[in-house]
Amino acid sequence: AQKVTQAQTEISVVEKEDVTLDCVYETRDTTYYLFWYKQPPSGELVFLIRRNSFDEQNEISGRYSWNFQKSTSSFNFTITASQVVDSAVYFCALSSFYNQGGKLIFGQGTELSVKP
Amino acid sequence: DSGVTQTPKHLITATGQRVTLRCSPRSGDLSVYWYQQSLDQGLQFLIQYYNGEERAKGNILERFSAQQFPDLHSELNLSSLELGDSALYFCASSVVRYEQYFGPGTRLTVT
Repeated sequence: AQKVTQAQTEISVVEKEDVTLDCVYETRDTTYYLFWYKQPPSGELVFLIRRNSFDEQNEISGRYSWNFQKSTSSFNFTITASQVVDSAVYFCALSSFYNQGGKLIFGQGTELSVKP
Repeated sequence: DSGVTQTPKHLITATGQRVTLRCSPRSGDLSVYWYQQSLDQGLQFLIQYYNGEERAKGNILERFSAQQFPDLHSELNLSSLELGDSALYFCASSVVRYEQYFGPGTRLTVT
């Protein structure tokens, strides 16, 4: 079965601190996709990144970076120099490449609060 | 703005009633997904359609059904509503197996 675990339910930091959100996944598939989504207080789900299981290169986009380690089944997300606007719930998700039409399996989410 | 539209934004109804949620995917996306977000269950996949055909089914109750029309918009029908059906219902669209773009959601409150 596929599963995504985000062990950190809530994280609180002060502005300008760096913060890492953890994501651990389980799957029997050899090819799969991993995602991060952001859900700000307004409620919409905003796509942040997609990684393929065969591409373990880390990625950086501005203050955001992602560390994908297949050996530990982890796909962690780091925000550098956090800002109040980063306050949101962040979801890690997994989808199978071949089966099940690409449905997303979400973790329970990590609520990040960035205080000024 | 993701390009996915959902109506209505809010819906308040009574137990036992039936409602229809509507979703229009991004231009060019053939695949539509429905998800339910509740406090106790988190974000759960309900059902997926691709170009009018059901492609995958998740934890969708028998009281719930969906369809995708020739113009690719989709509707999620919820019947015999119970208090526990109160949730945020999201529609998402994608090119299959790539990132899904979510609509703003419909918040359903069953009283």
